Amino acid sequence: GQNIDQPTEMTATEGAIVQINCTYQTSGFNGLFWYQQHAGEAPTFLSYNVLDGLEEKGRFSSFLSRSKGYSYLLLKELQMKDSASYLCAVRDSNYQLIWGAGTKLIIKP
Amino acid sequence: IAGITQAPTSQILAAGRRMTLRCTQDMRHNAMYWYRQDLGLGLRLIHYSNTAGTTGKGEVPDGYSVSRANTDDFPLTLASAVPSQTSVYFCASSPGTGHTGELFFGEGSRLTVL
Repeated sequence: GQNIDQPTEMTATEGAIVQINCTYQTSGFNGLFWYQQHAGEAPTFLSYNVLDGLEEKGRFSSFLSRSKGYSYLLLKELQMKDSASYLCAVRDSNYQLIWGAGTKLIIKP
Repeated sequence: IAGITQAPTSQILAAGRRMTLRCTQDMRHNAMYWYRQDLGLGLRLIHYSNTAGTTGKGEVPDGYSVSRANTDDFPLTLASAVPSQTSVYFCASSPGTGHTGELFFGEGSRLTVL
């Protein structure tokens, strides 16, 4: 079956760096997405990786290794507003999105 | 403000009742999707539409139906609600089909079936 694994919850300190991992086992691969979802709100797009390597966008970076079935989202200079759930999603060979359950990130002052 | 509008925001419904969740987008996106989000699970696709006039089944379509009469509207109907359909429902759209590009989500409809 298809599976996306990410930690259920992580805690980090304001101003620090945190890395949220995502491993996947899917029927083919056509890209990996990261979304941010604040409590009670809609998911919003953060990043997209289809080739191996690091994509940087401001304080957020996303890395992909297709051979390892692995991605991570790196958040730098953490702010209290970064407290949210982070969803990893993989597009499979049928162009369907398989979603992880999300990682709830708690930022402490 | 351009985007996706869902209604109602929340609803409590008796089991066996019929319910339609409304979704309207003003971005002229081709594809639209309905997802449900349950605690501890990833988003699960219920139904999708790649373009006006066409619909398809997702991962968990049973008990739900959709229609896409025009580009903007994509209502989701529960013909006879059951408690297992208690969930948060998100409508989403994308410019291209096949989950191409990022998804734009509505604010969600929280449905409780008693």
